[in-house]
Amino acid sequence: KAGVTQTPRYLIKTRGQQVTLSCSPISGHRSVSWYQQTPGQGLQFLFEYFSETQRNKGNFPGRFSGRQFSNSRSEMNVSTLELGDSALYLCASSLAYGTDTQYFGPGTRLTVL
Amino acid sequence: KNEVEQSPQNLTAQEGEFITINCSYSVGISALHWLQQHPGGGIVSLFMLSSGKKKHGRLIATINIQEKHSSLHITASHPRDSAVYICAVVMEYGNKLVFGAGTILRVKS
Repeated sequence: KAGVTQTPRYLIKTRGQQVTLSCSPISGHRSVSWYQQTPGQGLQFLFEYFSETQRNKGNFPGRFSGRQFSNSRSEMNVSTLELGDSALYLCASSLAYGTDTQYFGPGTRLTVL
Repeated sequence: KNEVEQSPQNLTAQEGEFITINCSYSVGISALHWLQQHPGGGIVSLFMLSSGKKKHGRLIATINIQEKHSSLHITASHPRDSAVYICAVVMEYGNKLVFGAGTILRVKS
């Protein structure tokens, strides 16, 4: 069974631009969560989607948004990029919403110049 | 004060040693995850537990809900165990994950 895939793996953008990251969950998994990891803040929860609905959202500004499609693939979008958005963005999928083992993708390394 | 505290922050051990990493939390939770992250970023879920104890190979995880504390033990440590170990709790209300800062483990041969 293929694991969680994320595209692109690396991305360089400039301040003010917007970016879209993609996550394809393990086949059969309906829950997708997104996380941001930085050296200063560590891992932080962004949001979780289940069956195309956002079920949970972390404490991030409205510039961070996401969506989930009917095939469970998910995208997250960051608009008006800031230098502080440079981070590793990870997605994880699981069978069910809520407490379930999460399977992480390799992450997208975003650098904002 | 962070909602999830891990100790120690850094740990260096000799191959074969028994290792313990601790996680304390201050909020109500429905479950707790132990994660392993190797250099390069890949994260692997080691355990998810809401009570008692789980064992997988040389790894053992325990949780005491009343004391709001969990431990991850590694028996007969090996250099390949060198990684960052992260504790994450699932908030009782809302199911959000809150992460500890991680423990950097280095096992020397």
